[in-house]
Amino acid sequence: SQQGEEDPQALSIQEGENATMNCSYKTSINNLQWYRQNSGRGLVHLILIRSNEREKHSGRLRVTLDTSKKSSSLLITASRAADTASYFCAPSLYNFNKFYFGSGTKLNVKP
Amino acid sequence: DAGVIQSPRHEVTEMGQEVTLRCKPISGHNSLFWYRQTMMRGLELLIYFNNNVPIDDSGMPEDRFSAKMPNASFSTLKIQPSEPRDSAVYFCASRKQNTEAFFGQGTRLTVV
Repeated sequence: SQQGEEDPQALSIQEGENATMNCSYKTSINNLQWYRQNSGRGLVHLILIRSNEREKHSGRLRVTLDTSKKSSSLLITASRAADTASYFCAPSLYNFNKFYFGSGTKLNVKP
Repeated sequence: DAGVIQSPRHEVTEMGQEVTLRCKPISGHNSLFWYRQTMMRGLELLIYFNNNVPIDDSGMPEDRFSAKMPNASFSTLKIQPSEPRDSAVYFCASRKQNTEAFFGQGTRLTVV
């Protein structure tokens, strides 16, 4: 399949700890996006990283991209209960503007 | 900009009825996407448009589904006739080439 696959499927941590989620994909990409979805809500865009970038930061979020391994990771530092959500990666195939989703990582941050 | 706007937010319809979902993309975005989300299948890409032209509709599940984009500021996804298994949340998203894609709030469709 063409979509990103997130790992782990579920992650439970204590408030204040760091959370790392991984994404693997199969084909060459132009860019990769990470999204958050709270239960029953819409998709919120977090970060886009381009194929020529290796790392990007946004607040407590850090995304890395390794195109040789076809993988990306999302690190949330000093997690909060409000970070409880599902997180999805969405790689955009090379030369195409479309993007696909995997099944996501369900993060639970316990207060 | 108000973001991607979808309507209606909720739709309950009887099996066999026609359903039309609407989307207004962000101004200046030249690509528009329709996704469907269910517990069983996750987020599926149904169809995407580039400059109002359908580029890939391989994700459209059946001929009962059709999508149009008559101009750069409006798209519709139509299901006719609707079936209970079409019950899902339908999302619309838009983006410029190689930039962030933003989603609407979704339409929760229930077919009874």
